[in-house]
Amino acid sequence: AQTVTQSQPEMSVQEAETVTLSCTYDTSESNYYLFWYKQPPSRQMILVIRQEAYKQQNATENRFSVNFQKAAKSFSLKISDSQLGDTAMYFCALLAGGTSYGKLTFGQGTILTVHP
Amino acid sequence: DTEVTQTPKHLVMGMTNKKSLKCEQHMGHRAMYWYKQKAKKPPELMFVYSYEKLSINESVPSRFSPECPNSSLLNLHLHALQPEDSALYLCASSQNRGQDKPQHFGDGTRLSIL
Repeated sequence: AQTVTQSQPEMSVQEAETVTLSCTYDTSESNYYLFWYKQPPSRQMILVIRQEAYKQQNATENRFSVNFQKAAKSFSLKISDSQLGDTAMYFCALLAGGTSYGKLTFGQGTILTVHP
Repeated sequence: DTEVTQTPKHLVMGMTNKKSLKCEQHMGHRAMYWYKQKAKKPPELMFVYSYEKLSINESVPSRFSPECPNSSLLNLHLHALQPEDSALYLCASSQNRGQDKPQHFGDGTRLSIL
């Protein structure tokens, strides 16, 4: 079985500041991918960033970067220069092979509010 | 703009009605998914179609019936739903079910059961 845990139900940050969202996971698979999805009030799930387990280098997409600690099974998301449009619910997700082939396992989500 | 199109965006129906949700993608993806999402909760996987064949059934009630007419279309037929079925229904697609193929989501259909 695979699990994804997001321990921060809600977070807030001031515009232009930096915020980090936490995520831990557990899987017995050796090859897997981790994702962060963003779901604004408009409700579409948007892929923000992804990380392959075999890559040691942390993924970066513009203002979004991850801190991937494989041994600790930790996958946090850092948002730099926060913008009002970053207000959304953020989901950490795991995609692995094996018996869970094709099944995205989501965390419970973190509601992020960016204040002006 | 989303590359996965879902219709309708909103649907209100009675418990005795029959309706269908539609999902379409033109990215050449061969895996498509239906998810159910309650407010402030993560999506829950309902069905997976891979190469137009149902691969996973998550013990979803039979009042939900998926259909995949071709590789670009995915329908979810609804019949005799219950109030607890009110939720956001998300469709997603990916190149295939491999772990290196991210899923791309549509805007969802907001379903309300009276």
